Amino acid sequence: GAVVSQHPSWVICKSGTSVKIECRSLDFQATTMFWYRQFPKQSLMLMATSNEGSKATYEQGVEKDKFLINHASLTLSTLTVTSAHPEDSSFYICSAGLPGRVGETQYFGPGTRLLVL
Amino acid sequence: KQEVTQIPAALSVPEGENLVLNCSFTDSAIYNLQWFRQDPGKGLTSLLLIQSSQREQTSGRLNASLDKSSGRSTLYIAASQPGDSATYLCAVTRLQGTYKYIFGTGTRLKVLA
Repeated sequence: GAVVSQHPSWVICKSGTSVKIECRSLDFQATTMFWYRQFPKQSLMLMATSNEGSKATYEQGVEKDKFLINHASLTLSTLTVTSAHPEDSSFYICSAGLPGRVGETQYFGPGTRLLVL
Repeated sequence: KQEVTQIPAALSVPEGENLVLNCSFTDSAIYNLQWFRQDPGKGLTSLLLIQSSQREQTSGRLNASLDKSSGRSTLYIAASQPGDSATYLCAVTRLQGTYKYIFGTGTRLKVLA
């Protein structure tokens, strides 16, 4: 089956530093990936849609200059949290759809827990 | 703007009970609806996917129904087990566009042994 991985699984960083999170589709090519954020005891909120070879589409209220998304290849999308602050501490999850079948189902990564001190 | 709500927010039941989780959405123009399971601190596991043209889907002890016109879906879990304890999320995708998911608020289920 389709597998999506994320790295790292958890990260602790100091306030003001930047953190990069990777999302990989291991056994399929994904032209579109999605990034979500989940705060404790809350549901997943879509942050942005990552499109291979083009700019990401951000949801309303998400700062594109703070959350940099790069989808440089068909199997890798990265999310960089720039100048991280404690309020950015959250659980970040990515997902990807099968080529041509994005509307059918998506496969989710295991998530990355970010703690900003 | 699509809003997805799940009731109840939390549920605690003894082992063996049959239970129903509810999901409602405000915009009936959906492409599909999917139920997920999330264990604490983990990612999502897909349980059932219902296309907008379908009424229900079944997998083992799980049965999900969809009433698109009324904006509702239910997830039925038969003979619940302690291993079913998790947070259950429903999500809908739009009829057109990028097929991004809008997630519900979630139901935290605890099945007591």
